Order: sequence, then C-alpha cells, then structure tokens
Amino acid sequence: EAGVVQSPRYKIIEKKQPVAFWCNPISGHNTLYWYLQNLGQGPELLIRYENEEAVDDSQLPKDRFSAERLKGVDSTLKIQPAELGDSAVYLCASAARAGTYNEQFFGPGTRLTVL
Amino acid sequence: EDKVVQSPLSLVVHEGDTVTLNCSYEVTNFRSLLWYKQEKKAPTFLFMLTSSGIEKKSGRLSSILDKKELFSILNITATQTGDSAIYLCAVMYSGGGADGLTFGKGTHLIIQP
Repeated sequence: EAGVVQSPRYKIIEKKQPVAFWCNPISGHNTLYWYLQNLGQGPELLIRYENEEAVDDSQLPKDRFSAERLKGVDSTLKIQPAELGDSAVYLCASAARAGTYNEQFFGPGTRLTVL
Repeated sequence: EDKVVQSPLSLVVHEGDTVTLNCSYEVTNFRSLLWYKQEKKAPTFLFMLTSSGIEKKSGRLSSILDKKELFSILNITATQTGDSAIYLCAVMYSGGGADGLTFGKGTHLIIQP
C-alpha cells in the first residue's frame, strides 16, 4: 500500500514568490493534516481536514497561507507571497478516522527554502 | 500556554548503551501522550500513553506515563546505530470541539558504533 505522497520534495524560491505543495493521502483516509516543522523544532499543526472540510485552521496564517482539499482526497497548501521565515519542512499526514493521532501516517515532507 | 518540553535536546551514546529520554508537559484537557521517531523527514508512531503507570513495550523500546507528575520517559536498551533519530514527544488534548496535538522540540539521539 502506498504511503502519503508529497511533492515536490524540495523547493527553492525567492521571497515574494508564490509556492504550492501537494499531498496525496493514503487511500481511504478521510482526515488530512498539514504541519510545519522548523529546524530543531517539533511539527506544528497548520490545518486539519475531515473530508473536504477544514475543521481546524486556527494556526494557519491566513494572510499568506491557504489550503484546499477539493473532493476530500488530494490537498494543496499555498503560500503567497513567501517570506524568508517560511523556510521549513512542510509535512502532510493522513489518518483513517478523526482524532486518531496515533494512527496518522506522515509523508516525507517538502523542504522549502526561501532566498 | 500549553507546553511540551523534552530533554535532553541531544544525546550521543555508544552502541549497546541504554538511554532514557524525557518529556514533561503542561497541557489543559490532556488526553494522551504520543512518542514518534523521526528519521530523515517523516515521523513514525511509536507509542500512545493514556493511563499512568502502565508501561508500553515494543522490542528494545519502552515508555511510561506519570499523569501526576506530568511527564513520560522513553527507554531504549541495547541501542543500535539504527536507533539514531529525532524522538518526538507530543501531547493530545481536547478543546474547542476538536482535539489538538502539540509536539516538543525533540531529542536528537546519535548512536556511535
């Protein structure tokens, strides 16, 4: 069974440019999470989806970040415009059921570098 | 503000040694504490602890939770080079109608041959 797929794996952009990350969760997983992980820090939740509904986006900086999960499967996370401080690893995770953090599976992440 | 504090932040030991990683927390509406192992990029789940004093064990790894003193430890015995990774502690809490998960900064463990 394929795991959580993320692309691209690496992205280097200049500040003020837009960037988008894509996540394909494990088949059948209704819950999808986007996390941000800075160097030397643990992951921080940005947004959680139950199917196509964003049920917790309280930590998402909505002035520049946006996310969507059309049709409740794949998801994209966008930053526009990117800032230097956005350099981090963006992790996507999925779970079969809501609230089952012990059953969430993480993707390999996208490492973003903003110059 | 909810906090999850791990110690030490980094640790270097030799193969065969036993290590103990610590995680203390201050979280409102605590539900569970989780341990993850992060190699390269993707964290993988190790344990979920909900009740005090009940040890969870998987091979050379074990973990226990103390809800009175608000901490957990992760033990690794007879360490191997493959145990080198970042070990993340996370606390699940309930609030505002949705469960949340707060991670500590992690302990970077290096096992030398």
